[in-house]
Amino acid sequence: GQQVMQIPQYQHVQEGEDFTTYCNSSTTLSNIQWYKQRPGGHPVFLIQLVKSGEVKKQKRLTFQFGEAKKNSSLHITATQTTDVGTYFCAGPGTGGGNKLTFGTGTQLKVEL
Amino acid sequence: EADIYQTPRYLVIGTGKKITLECSQTMGHDKMYWYQQDPGMELHLIHYSYGVNSTEKGDLSSESTVSRIRTEHFPLTLESARPSHTSQYLCASSGFQNTEAFFGQGTRLTVV
Repeated sequence: GQQVMQIPQYQHVQEGEDFTTYCNSSTTLSNIQWYKQRPGGHPVFLIQLVKSGEVKKQKRLTFQFGEAKKNSSLHITATQTTDVGTYFCAGPGTGGGNKLTFGTGTQLKVEL
Repeated sequence: EADIYQTPRYLVIGTGKKITLECSQTMGHDKMYWYQQDPGMELHLIHYSYGVNSTEKGDLSSESTVSRIRTEHFPLTLESARPSHTSQYLCASSGFQNTEAFFGQGTRLTVV
């Protein structure tokens, strides 16, 4: 079945440093979605990318969808303590029903 | 704001008891999911439904069962709870075209 891996699994940064998480799918995706889960909370949708090579920005967050539509990245510029949490990518799988498959997640900790 | 609800939020129960975790959504979504997650860790899909009377087991083997008799309702049942079932259970739903998934607040289950 489809597998979606993310690296790194954990990242500790000092406040103000940049952060990037990478997402790689074993199959081509029709779209890629990104979610953020705060500690103790539930995943919340951030953004969806659909087109090959697409780049979208949300304030300090930059999302990119690879040309082959099998990988994606999330980059945070000048991290803040409010960025703490686990970031997941997700994409529709193959086969009947096209269920959403979540990546393994990257846990971000930001220290003052 | 997402209209997907899970009850109970917290549950402590003895070994061998039968439990049902409730999940309801009012968005008319076809697809619904159950995930098992330890704090800050990967989301493990345990059950999936893409419509009424359709359910599939997910990637993580689970002793739980689900039913989808109505579009809005997707309960999860454990016939005999064990300490190994202690975890957080998250319910989610999404539209047929794989737009964003909405998550419930989760149920934190502790089996003693």
